[in-house]
Amino acid sequence: DAGVIQSPRHEVTEMGQEVTLRCKPISGHDYLFWYRQTMMRGLELLIYFNNNVPIDDSGMPEDRFSAKMPNASFSTLKIQPSEPRDSAVYFCASSLGDRAYEQYFGPGTRLTVT
Amino acid sequence: SQQGEEDPQALSIQEGENATMNCSYKTSINNLQWYRQNSGRGLVHLILIRSNEREKHSGRLRVTLDTSKKSSSLLITASRAADTASYFCAPDYSSGNTPLVFGKGTRLSVIA
Repeated sequence: DAGVIQSPRHEVTEMGQEVTLRCKPISGHDYLFWYRQTMMRGLELLIYFNNNVPIDDSGMPEDRFSAKMPNASFSTLKIQPSEPRDSAVYFCASSLGDRAYEQYFGPGTRLTVT
Repeated sequence: SQQGEEDPQALSIQEGENATMNCSYKTSINNLQWYRQNSGRGLVHLILIRSNEREKHSGRLRVTLDTSKKSSSLLITASRAADTASYFCAPDYSSGNTPLVFGKGTRLSVIA
C-alpha cells in the first residue's frame, strides 16, 4: 500500500489567496483526520471524519477553514482567504475501525502564506 | 486539556546510551500510544499499551504504564543516531468521544 498521500508537499501563496490541500487515505480506512503543526502550538486536530461524515470540527480555527470528504478515497482542506498565521505543516492521517486506533500519517503539506 | 504531557521537552544523549521519556495524562484511559516523528515527516506509530498492561516491549523500545500515577514512560535502549526524532504520547481517554490528542512531544537528539 502506498500509505496516506498528500498533495501538494509544499505550497507558497500570498495572503488572501485560496489554498486547497488534498489527501488520499489508506484504502479501507474509515477514519480520516486533519492536523496542523506549528512550533508554537504543536500538533492540533482540526477535524475528523468517519465514513466520509464530519464528526468533530471543533478544532477548525475559523470559518476561513473548511474540509470535505466527498468519498472514501479523497478529502480536501480549504483555506479561503489565507493569512500569514495559517503558515504551518498540515497533516492528514487515517485509521481503521476506531477513532482511537493506530493512525497512519501522510508526509504533510508545508504551507507558507506571505 | 486532554492531551498527554511529555517530559522532558528536549533530551540530548550519546549514541549507545538509553533514553527515557515520560508522559502524564489527566483521567482514566483505554490505552496509550507512542509515536515518533522524524524531521519533516509525519508521525509514525510505535507502540500501544492497554490500560490493563503494565509493560510492553518492541525491539529496543520498552513502554511502561502506571495508571495509579496516570503516567507512562518510553525507554529506548542502546540509542542510535537514527533515533533522533520527536516522540509523542497519545492517551485514549475512557470518557467522552474524543480521538487521540497529541502533546508537544519530546525532542530527542542522539549524538554519534
